Amino acid sequence: AQRVTQPEKLLSVFKGAPVELKCNYSYSGSPELFWYVQYSRQRLQLLLRHISRESIKGFTADLNKGETSFHLKKPFAQEEDSAMYYCALKSIGANNLFFGTGTRLTVIP
Amino acid sequence: DAGVIQSPRHEVTEMGQEVTLRCKPISGHNSLFWYRQTMMRGLELLIYFNNNVPIDDSGMPEDRFSAKMPNASFSTLKIQPSEPRDSAVYFCASSPGTGAEAFFGQGTRLTVV
Repeated sequence: AQRVTQPEKLLSVFKGAPVELKCNYSYSGSPELFWYVQYSRQRLQLLLRHISRESIKGFTADLNKGETSFHLKKPFAQEEDSAMYYCALKSIGANNLFFGTGTRLTVIP
Repeated sequence: DAGVIQSPRHEVTEMGQEVTLRCKPISGHNSLFWYRQTMMRGLELLIYFNNNVPIDDSGMPEDRFSAKMPNASFSTLKIQPSEPRDSAVYFCASSPGTGAEAFFGQGTRLTVV
């Protein structure tokens, strides 16, 4: 069975400081990994996906199959990054998306 | 397109009452998902449909929960009878296909008193 773990429910960093939101997964097959973000009063939306290998809003995430991790990183946090972040997993070829419990990031000005 | 539309946005009901949550997916999307969001468990997948057919309902907590998708443009999630522990935000999402991004509605905040 698939499982996504986000060990931190809350994370606070100062503006300009690096930020890392942790995500670990367990899945026997080949997963697709995603990060979704929910800003205050907005819909949950896709931030990035591992197959794209792109940087969105300064965020990057690398899939580490050895450590079964997909941590989200940004070198310099901004106040507008404050939001709820969810790591999600989908098995390749399937459509159901499984989420972790989420991490609320607060960037302190 | 207005995106995924959910109604109502807020629902307060008494324990034991029937609750029906509604979702209109994005036109052309063939997959639809219902999620429940709580502080303790985060986002839990309840059920998902592909081409109006329920594919995986293993996340539906109890027989009190049921979901239908009578056509490609409408789905309902029903709780009967409702209980206080059902209080949560319920999200509907749709996707155009396998491997594609899921688009979420704004959610329905359900409070059962």
